[in-house]
Formats: sequence, C-alpha cells, structure tokens
Amino acid sequence: DVKVTQSSRYLVKRTGEKVFLECVQDMDHENMFWYRQDPGLGLRLIYFSYDVKMKEKGDIPEGYSVSREKKERFSLILESASTNQTSMYLCASSLVSGAKGEQFFGPGTRLTVL
Amino acid sequence: TQLLEQSPQFLSIQEGENLTVYCNSSSVFSSLQWYRQEPGEGPVLLVTVVTGGEVKKLKRLTFQFGDARKDSSLHITAAQPGDTGLYLCAAGLQGGSEKLVFGKGTKLTVNP
Repeated sequence: DVKVTQSSRYLVKRTGEKVFLECVQDMDHENMFWYRQDPGLGLRLIYFSYDVKMKEKGDIPEGYSVSREKKERFSLILESASTNQTSMYLCASSLVSGAKGEQFFGPGTRLTVL
Repeated sequence: TQLLEQSPQFLSIQEGENLTVYCNSSSVFSSLQWYRQEPGEGPVLLVTVVTGGEVKKLKRLTFQFGDARKDSSLHITAAQPGDTGLYLCAAGLQGGSEKLVFGKGTKLTVNP
C-alpha cells in the first residue's frame, strides 16, 4: 500500500519561529507536493518537486521554502512563522504522470501560529 | 478563476437517501480523480477516470466522466453515515502537467 507520512499531526508555534514540516513517502515516487487547506479556499499548492533538488513554485509560495535532498523526503520550511500561516498542511506524492497523475496524501499537519 | 466548480457546496441528507454531486469546468482534462477527506485527515483517492463517457462503480458509489472530458459526477446510492466527508474532484490538465487542479469540495453529512 502507498504510504505518505508527515512528521507531526498537530503543531503549535510562536510568531517569528522557524518551522519545519517533513514528509516521507515509501513508494519511490518522483513527484512530491506541499499544499495548504483553508475553509472556503480549498487546497492551494505551495511548492512542487519533480526530482531530488528540483523544485517549482506553486500558487502561494511566499513565506515558504522547500528542500528535497532525498527522493523519499520533502520538507516545507516556514522561515519566520506568521499567524496567517495557521492552516492544515498536506503533503502528497505521485509518479511521473502518464494519463493519470494520481496523488497520494499524507494525514496532514494542523499548524497553529500564535 | 476557479477551473473546477463543485456543487453543491454543502449537502445534508438522511441515511438511505441517494445523492449526486457535480464537478464542472470549461476546460478539457486528461484525467479526473475523486477523493474523500474525513475531518482532520488527508484526502484519500477513490477513483480516476480518463476516458470520455467512462463510468466506474465502487460499491454504492458511481462515477461518471463527461463525454467531452470537462465534467464529472459522483452518485451515492443509499447513503450511510460512513459516507460523511468532504468530496473533492481534481483534474490533470492536458499537456502532461504533473500538477492537479482541485475543486473546493462538497461537504456531505449523512444523518442516522
């Protein structure tokens, strides 16, 4: 079975702190994604990585950076957390697409920034 | 501009009722997926459709992809409380993009 894990289910941080969210997949997928999900706004893509050390900005990259040093691991970094980054963060992975592009999601990290 | 419009946004029904939710767009897609997300969890893939006119069944759930590959529907027969959740459609744009476009979802509540 496909497995995507995220380092924390719940996280509480203070404004200005540096925050690391980690995601690991065990399916040898090339592509990995970070989304945030907010009520009324749906899922919004923050960053996408299609290979080790390769990344592409999504729709809302401001205030975030990412790191992909190994194929199975994709990290999201909040350089200086702010209250408007309080959200549900979802990691996903997929194979290089043929026709399908199916993504497999982790359980999510609920981040609260105080 | 929202590429994928889902309707209704909210749906509350009684156990045993049937329902249909819709996912519409003016764009043509190479594939379309349906996911279900329970509160506090990540979305779980239910089905992928790739051929115009395709119909797939998963127990009491029936998924249809429009002939022109611009829209899709999900029909649930005899809904149960375990069907409660957020149903998301997502689509891959033609041209082979690795990224998906997501609808905002239909929040379904099935009351016992």
